Amino acid sequence: SAVISQKPSRDICQRGTSLTIQCQVDSQVTMMFWYRQQPGQSLTLIATANQGSEATYESGFVIDKFPISRPNLTFSTLTVSNMSPEDSSIYLCSVVTSGSITDTQYFGPGTRLTVL
Amino acid sequence: GQQLNQSPQSMFIQEGEDVSMNCTSSSIFNTWLWYKQDPGEGPVLLIALYKAGELTSNGRLTAQFGITRKDSFLNISASIPSDVGIYFCAVTGGTSYGKLTFGQGTILTVHP
Repeated sequence: SAVISQKPSRDICQRGTSLTIQCQVDSQVTMMFWYRQQPGQSLTLIATANQGSEATYESGFVIDKFPISRPNLTFSTLTVSNMSPEDSSIYLCSVVTSGSITDTQYFGPGTRLTVL
Repeated sequence: GQQLNQSPQSMFIQEGEDVSMNCTSSSIFNTWLWYKQDPGEGPVLLIALYKAGELTSNGRLTAQFGITRKDSFLNISASIPSDVGIYFCAVTGGTSYGKLTFGQGTILTVHP
């Protein structure tokens, strides 16, 4: 299993500013992902965080808006840049530990972001 | 893109009742997953299904991977108050391993 912590747990930000969210895992993991959950909605994959290289973004998400770093096998950051109220969401880090197709995907508790 | 249709959107039941929810898709998937999300938490995996026709139980929960690989259902028997939460189906498969697509969720309320 994997225990995931995220910082901050919540924040209220002004439009036009940026926020960096941290994801820390208690063990080395194969894959790390970032998801967004808009209010009352389901989860949508933003990107796959690749260790030592640029993240792989899903359609509708771009690096300039959501820069991601993954310096090692246990840590990743997601930055929400130039925020607007539409960015108000829960941002969740997710990991897969071993890469087996039957491996469980674990989720962090999320970071609840409100943009005013 | 890939879309899952999950129903019902919400359910209000009495403690002790059984619950059923399902997901359908127009595409074939290799893996169907069911997650539960409590308020303020990330989703937690309840059941994973890897084989068409597979029926898997986890305590009072039972889920099935449809034979066509385009649908799945989740049943909860003898519901209790702590079953309250949002239940999501999710899929992954093929070259998109590890990337989950989620259904819209079913909000479950259990009245004591």
